[in-house]
Formats: sequence, structure tokens, C-alpha cells
Amino acid sequence: QLQLQESGPGLVKPSETLSLNCSVSGVSITSDDYYWAWIRQPPGKGLEWIGSMYYSGSKFFNPSLKTRVTTSVDTSQNQISLKLTSVTAADTAVYYCARGSGPSGSGKTDNWGQGVLVTVSS
Amino acid sequence: QSALTQPASVSGSPGQSITISCTGTNSDIGGYDYVSWYQQHAGQPPKLLIYDVTDRPSGVSARFSGSKSGNTASLTISGLQAEDEADYYCSSYRSSSTRYVFGTGTTVTVL
Repeated sequence: QLQLQESGPGLVKPSETLSLNCSVSGVSITSDDYYWAWIRQPPGKGLEWIGSMYYSGSKFFNPSLKTRVTTSVDTSQNQISLKLTSVTAADTAVYYCARGSGPSGSGKTDNWGQGVLVTVSS
Repeated sequence: QSALTQPASVSGSPGQSITISCTGTNSDIGGYDYVSWYQQHAGQPPKLLIYDVTDRPSGVSARFSGSKSGNTASLTISGLQAEDEADYYCSSYRSSSTRYVFGTGTTVTVL
């Protein structure tokens, strides 16, 4: 049974870096049959794709966030990570990690973590 | 990178059928069969209902069905039930640097 669990600080100061981890259990992250994605949802608003990556190294990012986003895979911990730099209040959101299959890291996102709320405030 | 367009809200009585539309362009919905639909109850992560326009993952009720015509995809919920009250999002592959785009979301209310 695949499970994903996000973790990280719930409060980040403006201009600092948001760092989140997603622990994956029940399956190895080393398969290229799937992508691992980060998706966020501001309070009361819709879903926004941040980026997707494959174990092989292919990565795809939302152009509006690309210059501030870094993602990585840690096979020893079976987890994926997200870093978002220079955050502002607009980055306040529930951040989800998810697994899916489809072209270029999109579509059929069939497993989601519970999400973690990150608030950007001084 | 604009979102796909969905109606803000749709409502129906128990037992009725409702349809949620999702409008895009030739670069996403109209050009590819990679449309998915998600259901999200309050405080919960999204749940995949439909993928590749019409396919249902195992365990998803057959009351949920998907279709596409031109640049518009649709999700139909048949035999509406109280538990169907939730937010619904479409998504699609897009042939631009955006790659993965979601719809604006639709709130379904069961009267």
C-alpha cells in the first residue's frame, strides 16, 4: 500500500526558503514508470502544479515557479524533497506530494499525501 | 499559463445526474486524451476519479463518467448522492512549458 507523507516547517518567513520532504512507503521511488509531483493549494483556492520529476532525472516545472523551485530524490530515505526560495505570502498553501503516471509528469495522479499547510509570515 | 475553465458551482437533487464542464484549448484538452478528474472533500487531498478522459481507477463508482468533445471535457455524476458534495477539478496535459494544468474547480451541492 503506497503512502506519502509530507513534512516540514509550518511557518516560513518572507524571503526565506521553504523546504519540504515527502516520505514514500510501500513502494520504491526508483521506478521510472511513475513521476513524483508537488502540487499546492492556497487556502480556499484551487490546485496549482509546482513540478514533477522522474527517478531517471527528468524534471518539469511550472514556468511561473521554475526559477525558485528545486526538487530532489533521496533513494536512501525513499523520499523526495522540495525547496522554494524567496517566498512571499502568495506562497502560503497546503503543499501536496503525489505520484502519477502520464506524459511529462502530468495526468493520472493517483496517490496523494495528506498535505502540509505552510504559512509565509513574519 | 491560464487554468482550464470550470463552472464555479453545480447543484442537483439526490438521484439526479449532473455534468461539470472543463474548457481548454487545442494545446491541452482538444489536442490530447490526457484529461483527469479529481474529487476533493473539505480538508482532504484530491482523489482521482477519471483519467485519460474516460477511464476509472479500480474502486471508483461507475456513477462517475468522463467524456470529451473538442476543447471541452465533461464529468457526469449519475444518481447524485449526498456524499458527492465536494469540489471537483479537471486537469490536462498541455503542450507548452506548463505541461500540467488544473481547472478552476467546481463545487457540487446536493440539494
